[in-house]
Amino acid sequence: GEEVAQTPKHLVRGEGQKAKLYCAPIKGHSYVFWYQQVLKNEFKFLISFQNENVFDETGMPKERFSAKCLPNSPCSLEIQATKLEDSAVYFCASSQDSSGNTIYFGEGSWLTVV
Amino acid sequence: KQEVTQIPAALSVPEGENLVLNCSFTDSAIYNLQWFRQDPGKGLTSLLLIQSSQREQTSGRLNASLDKSSGRSTLYIAASQPGDSATYLCAVPTGNMLTFGGGTRLMVKP
Repeated sequence: GEEVAQTPKHLVRGEGQKAKLYCAPIKGHSYVFWYQQVLKNEFKFLISFQNENVFDETGMPKERFSAKCLPNSPCSLEIQATKLEDSAVYFCASSQDSSGNTIYFGEGSWLTVV
Repeated sequence: KQEVTQIPAALSVPEGENLVLNCSFTDSAIYNLQWFRQDPGKGLTSLLLIQSSQREQTSGRLNASLDKSSGRSTLYIAASQPGDSATYLCAVPTGNMLTFGGGTRLMVKP
């Protein structure tokens, strides 16, 4: 597709429940990035992929967060046992290269943990 | 560690005014800087990308400048319109990720 498609747009989970977010990058883009934006504050980098391989995961919390980009499937970001502080907008972006020169963002998935 | 700061955090102006948004970064060893626009409930739209070898980029009523040595970039918006109301973010590459500023929330009043 010609845009980064993220689903669901909104997700509400009770504390302790699992949340799974999906991202379909632009066709032909090799790199996928996940960012977290809490309360309209700064964007926090979580993880990036080059095709199906993890490229940089320095921003990923050590516990409860995991992500995958499998061939012929949307990329996913999963949060096990959600906590209130996980409430945020999770943005996916894709790019043809790793420098961010041609990076396109999806519209985000709003996660609310109650 | 790269830190990106944007001033002001919020700005309200009447329609028609020219305005300047500021972005500063602590590590001047960057190879580009981008300005993005974020509308409420939406993702980011790239407005301008300035390579480190460039001093400015223009797109319509927008002009972005880059001074690497002083760690600063400005986004100039000419003849502002209500449709310009949004949050404007600057970002610089850090490794293979982008480090964002906190954004400037702009409101242009009719």
